[in-house]
Amino acid sequence: DVKVTQSSRYLVKRTGEKVFLECVQDMDHENMFWYRQDPGLGLRLIYFSYDVKMKEKGDIPEGYSVSREKKERFSLILESASTNQTSMYLCASSLYGGLDGYTFGSGTRLTVV
Amino acid sequence: AQTVTQSQPEMSVQEAETVTLSCTYDTSENNYYLFWYKQPPSRQMILVIRQEAYKQQNATENRFSVNFQKAAKSFSLKISDSQLGDTAMYFCAFIRSGAGSYQLTFGKGTKLSVIP
Repeated sequence: DVKVTQSSRYLVKRTGEKVFLECVQDMDHENMFWYRQDPGLGLRLIYFSYDVKMKEKGDIPEGYSVSREKKERFSLILESASTNQTSMYLCASSLYGGLDGYTFGSGTRLTVV
Repeated sequence: AQTVTQSQPEMSVQEAETVTLSCTYDTSENNYYLFWYKQPPSRQMILVIRQEAYKQQNATENRFSVNFQKAAKSFSLKISDSQLGDTAMYFCAFIRSGAGSYQLTFGKGTKLSVIP
């Protein structure tokens, strides 16, 4: 089975801190994604990457950046964390764009205080 | 831009009964894929079922089946013989076919509770 592993399940950070959320997949998938999940808003795409070192903005990229130096790893960076970035963050990967659906990680619950 | 609407924020069903979750979508595309995902309290999003728009036959996976009405842009999920383990958030999602297509668009979800 494909596995997508997010390094932290829960994270608490202070306002203004630089935050790194890490995601690793083990099945040689080309595409990786970062979504944010908030109650009543569903899942919203922050960034995705269709190849190593390639990245594209999603619907809500403001306040975030990403890094993909290796195929299996996709990092989400909050340059200066703010309280409105308190949320659940979901990483996903796929082989054929999204046509085969995504495989998701277990999520990171980030709280910014 | 595509939109996906799930009009039922919450639903409940008795164990062993059948429940149908609604999803409608808006697109000008002719070729696309539709999905239902399940997110139990453990938070892992799991793909439940996938439907290709060019296939008229409705997809089924064990107790899960869909009613895909392309002209009406409707894609409902039927869960038969509901089990306690079906308690979860359910998300409907859409993606257009074609080169450069990567992004799934999700609905806001339906919270399903299965009552013993």
